[in-house]
This record gives sequence, structure tokens and C-alpha cells, in this order.
Amino acid sequence: GAVVSQHPSRVICKSGTSVKIECRSLDFQATTMFWYRQFPKQSLMLMATSNEGSKATYEQGVEKDKFLINHASLTLSTLTVTSAHPEDSSFYICSAEGQAGGKREKLFFGSGTQLSVL
Amino acid sequence: GQQLNQSPQSMFIQEGEDVSMNCTSSSIFNTWLWYKQDPGEGPVLLIALYKAGELTSNGRLTAQFGITRKDSFLNISASIPSDVGIYFCAGQLTGTYKYIFGTGTRLKVLA
Repeated sequence: GAVVSQHPSRVICKSGTSVKIECRSLDFQATTMFWYRQFPKQSLMLMATSNEGSKATYEQGVEKDKFLINHASLTLSTLTVTSAHPEDSSFYICSAEGQAGGKREKLFFGSGTQLSVL
Repeated sequence: GQQLNQSPQSMFIQEGEDVSMNCTSSSIFNTWLWYKQDPGEGPVLLIALYKAGELTSNGRLTAQFGITRKDSFLNISASIPSDVGIYFCAGQLTGTYKYIFGTGTRLKVLA
């Protein structure tokens, strides 16, 4: 299956700092990328949808100035958590959907980033 | 946020038993996906379904896209200890790019 690489896998930061998480599709072009947030023992909650070269679409209740998303190319999307606070601590997961060789790709996920804000 | 109803929430079964879980919604979906997630990892795709009524197998796993396009089920036959984990369904809403996830089924297999 297609590979989605997400870095870093774990980050610990001080309150007030910004953290950038990268998501790359390694063997296909991702026309659409999604960012999810997951709390312990809960399901994935969609935060935003991003299409290459356009502004991200945020879900209701997600602060766009807090969670900056940049989808600069067909293989890279970044999520920046600005001025992080302890309540932003969570597991963040990216996913990508796209086409490769004319065959429809499914939705593949990165391995996730565990953010801990002290 | 929006979520799909997934049941059961958790289940303990004996090794060798068959397992069944399902997701239902009041909305119509054009794609259903089933994932397994291990602790601290991202979800891994198990089966993808694109047509109403579609029945697809992947080894011991079988999933179906409901005729009404509002539900899907996943069956695991002859469960083994490594099947333990959390299983999620995900549906892509008709007319959108968005995928909505089920609430998850936590599976524990007793050897």
C-alpha cells in the first residue's frame, strides 16, 4: 500500500512555543490531506482538510489561527500548533488520499505525532 | 465533531472465534474503509469498499458496504491473538472529501 510518512513521532515542548508536524506521501501524489486529533481511548476527530495550493478547510470548533496548515506541494502538508498550551497535548495524525498511475488511492495514515506540552 | 455509530464498543473473545462489528449512520456514504489501530500508531487500512452491496475479503477479514449506503460490517474469522487492537470504520460522505470515523471497537482475544 501507499506510504505516508509523519514526523516527528513524539515531541515535548514548553507552553507558548510552536510545533510543526510534517506529513509526506512517499509514493503517490496526495491531492487531499487530512489532519486528525485523537485523545486517549477515543476515535479520530477531523480537524481540517487541505488541498494542494489552496487554503485548508477547518472543522467547526477548530481554530485556524491556532492550527496552521500548509499544503505546499502534492507530497507535503504541515500542521503548526502555534503558542502551544497543555490542553493542546494530544495525538495528531495526518492522512492522505490521491491517485497514482490512474488507480484510485485509498486513505492512508501517517504513524502519528504525540504532542506533550508542559 | 461528527462520528459514526460503531458497535460493539469492546469485545473479549476466545482465540478461534469469529468476530463481527458494524457501523451505522443516518447519512449516505460513497466509500467505507475499515482500519486497525495499535497503541501509539496510526490506523492501518484493512479493507476499502466503494459500491453499495460490495463484499470484499482480505485474508480472514470480510467487509460489506450496505445496500442503503448507510452502514457497513466487518467480520474476522478464526481470530488469533495478534488481532487484538482497536478497529475503526470510516465513511466518506457523499459529495464531500471528508472521512468520518466510527467510535471504534476494542477487540481482545484470549488465547
